[in-house]
Amino acid sequence: ELKVEQNPLFLSMQEGKNYTIYCNYSTTSDRLYWYRQDPGKSLESLFVLLSNGAVKQEGRLMASLDTKARLSTLHITAAVHDLSATYFCAVASTGANSKLTFGKGITLSVRP
Amino acid sequence: EAQVTQNPRYLITVTGKKLTVTCSQNMNHEYMSWYRQDPGLGLRQIYYSMNVEVTDKGDVPEGYKVSRKEKRNFPLILESPSPNQTSLYFCASSLGRGMNTEAFFGQGTRLTVV
Repeated sequence: ELKVEQNPLFLSMQEGKNYTIYCNYSTTSDRLYWYRQDPGKSLESLFVLLSNGAVKQEGRLMASLDTKARLSTLHITAAVHDLSATYFCAVASTGANSKLTFGKGITLSVRP
Repeated sequence: EAQVTQNPRYLITVTGKKLTVTCSQNMNHEYMSWYRQDPGLGLRQIYYSMNVEVTDKGDVPEGYKVSRKEKRNFPLILESPSPNQTSLYFCASSLGRGMNTEAFFGQGTRLTVV
């Protein structure tokens, strides 16, 4: 059974500083996704990572994937208040069901 | 605009009163699924459908039904809702299997069963 773990579950960040959050998963997969969720809102797709060594960047966020270590990282550069949200990673099953197994999410809070 | 539309957005109902949450997508996606989101548990898949008339159980299907009579619609049916089904529900759609199958999520339906 595919398990996805995110650490930490809550992170208080200081504005302007850099941070990295992690997503580990337990079995082989060919797709990993990062989503952002604001309170009471839907999930917004941030990144789709499809291969070992994949790196994608959008603004202050950069995501990478190491399929051998079964690890994805989301790096935040110079945190700003607008990045406060909950971030989920989701890993796709390799079977017929394209089920996404989600981590429990990391809530980021950026303080001045 | 490409989107997944759920209705209603908010629903309060009583135990045992049948309800349906609708989901519609306009992207001609083959794959659709329902998730529920609960604090501390993340999102868990309820049911999924790989195409018209093809549905199957996800991780937490008990107490739910679905149907897929048309490609664009995938309603979630609670025949006899109970308080433990109080949750935030999301419908998602994607092209299906394949390397670029990004999932698009609806706005969510917050259901309260009293």
